Amino acid sequence: SAVISQKPSRDICQRGTSLTIQCQVDSQVTMMFWYRQQPGQSLTLIATANQGSEATYESGFVIDKFPISRPNLTFSTLTVSNLSPEDSSIYLCSASRTFSTDTQYFGPGTRLTVL
Amino acid sequence: QQPVQSPQAVILREGEDAVINCSSSKALYSVHWYRQKHGEAPVFLMILLKGGEQKGHEKISASFNEKKQQSSLYLTASQLSYSGTYFCGTEMTGNTGKLIFGQGTTLQVKP
Repeated sequence: SAVISQKPSRDICQRGTSLTIQCQVDSQVTMMFWYRQQPGQSLTLIATANQGSEATYESGFVIDKFPISRPNLTFSTLTVSNLSPEDSSIYLCSASRTFSTDTQYFGPGTRLTVL
Repeated sequence: QQPVQSPQAVILREGEDAVINCSSSKALYSVHWYRQKHGEAPVFLMILLKGGEQKGHEKISASFNEKKQQSSLYLTASQLSYSGTYFCGTEMTGNTGKLIFGQGTTLQVKP
């Protein structure tokens, strides 16, 4: 298994600012993913982040709004830019050890509130 | 494209059984099952792959009918610890890791 930590665990931000969320894995992984989850709702995939390549975004999510970095095999960041109240949500990262269909381990999430 | 889970919610007594279904309108490569407790990370339960292979480690079983694009999760002799929200995540194309999650099924186990 893999243990994933996220920082910060929660934050309250002002409209128009940005928040960068860090995701740290305790061992090397190949694929990392970022999801968004409204409280009490399902998870929606934002993007896939593989080391050495640009992140690939799902429909409805763009790089200018959600820039992602993946500098090595244990770390990734997601920035939520130009915040609006609609961005208030829980953001989770997950990781998979292989490029094949495999278990995804999830971090505990970052709860973002935008005022 | 989001898979549909049923039922939306279920309440059980300890020791009772439950079945949670996940149905897709698209052909599936794999189905992943997770359980999430309030305020916590989703926890992996099972993967079912096209072709019949299963991967899992808990006392929970599942099936995957590729022709019907359906999967079912079987919880037998439920325990209090089984309470939570169960999500199925479907992968359309193999080896991408791109999961589309159902809306979730809330399970409450009472003493």
